[in-house]
Amino acid sequence: NAGVTQTPKFQVLKTGQSMTLQCAQDMNHNSMYWYRQDPGMGLRLIYYSASEGTTDKGEVPNGYNVSRLNKREFSLRLESAAPSQTSVYFCASSDPGELYEQYFGPGTRLTVT
Amino acid sequence: AQSVSQHNHHVILSEAASLELGCNYSYGGTVNLFWYVQYPGQHLQLLLKYFSGDPLVKGIKGFEAEFIKSKFSFNLRKPSVQWSDTAEYFCAVNALRSNTGKLIFGQGTTLQVKP
Repeated sequence: NAGVTQTPKFQVLKTGQSMTLQCAQDMNHNSMYWYRQDPGMGLRLIYYSASEGTTDKGEVPNGYNVSRLNKREFSLRLESAAPSQTSVYFCASSDPGELYEQYFGPGTRLTVT
Repeated sequence: AQSVSQHNHHVILSEAASLELGCNYSYGGTVNLFWYVQYPGQHLQLLLKYFSGDPLVKGIKGFEAEFIKSKFSFNLRKPSVQWSDTAEYFCAVNALRSNTGKLIFGQGTTLQVKP
């Protein structure tokens, strides 16, 4: 099992460009999450999908959109990147059957210039 | 709003010293509690978790944590740290009532162990 995979690993964007971060899990988990990690701020939830077909805002959703494409895949889109979105992005998945222990992907380091 | 507070932001220890990292949360209902570790350049990995039962839980690599419900605390401990424990440590809480699995993370504690 690969667990949670993310692509790309690194990305540099110019202000105003758009991009989509991809995430997939092969653990048959119902729930998936997108976080951003910034120094001194821990991980902050951007969006989550409690189950296939549903998505909800987290703590810092502004400037992002998500799509739960199917049970395996959960993508994060930046429509018009801003320097404030420079961060490391982590995708995670969990399942009520495992008492919501979250499994994390390797992360995407995004720089917006 | 729910929050998680980690009191120590940066801890520097010598090898073989004992470690205790504080974590407090604000939520009155039933919770699941987690400690995650992030080694330099890597993703988050689970150290240990508390769901129910014995409030003293043991995790990987000799770490343990104690859930004290009356103090809303879940402190992480290790009797003797090693250089390889240098990492960032995150406490996280899941409020079961939400039924979404959302985790609220603390700000993280950077541990530096000197050889």
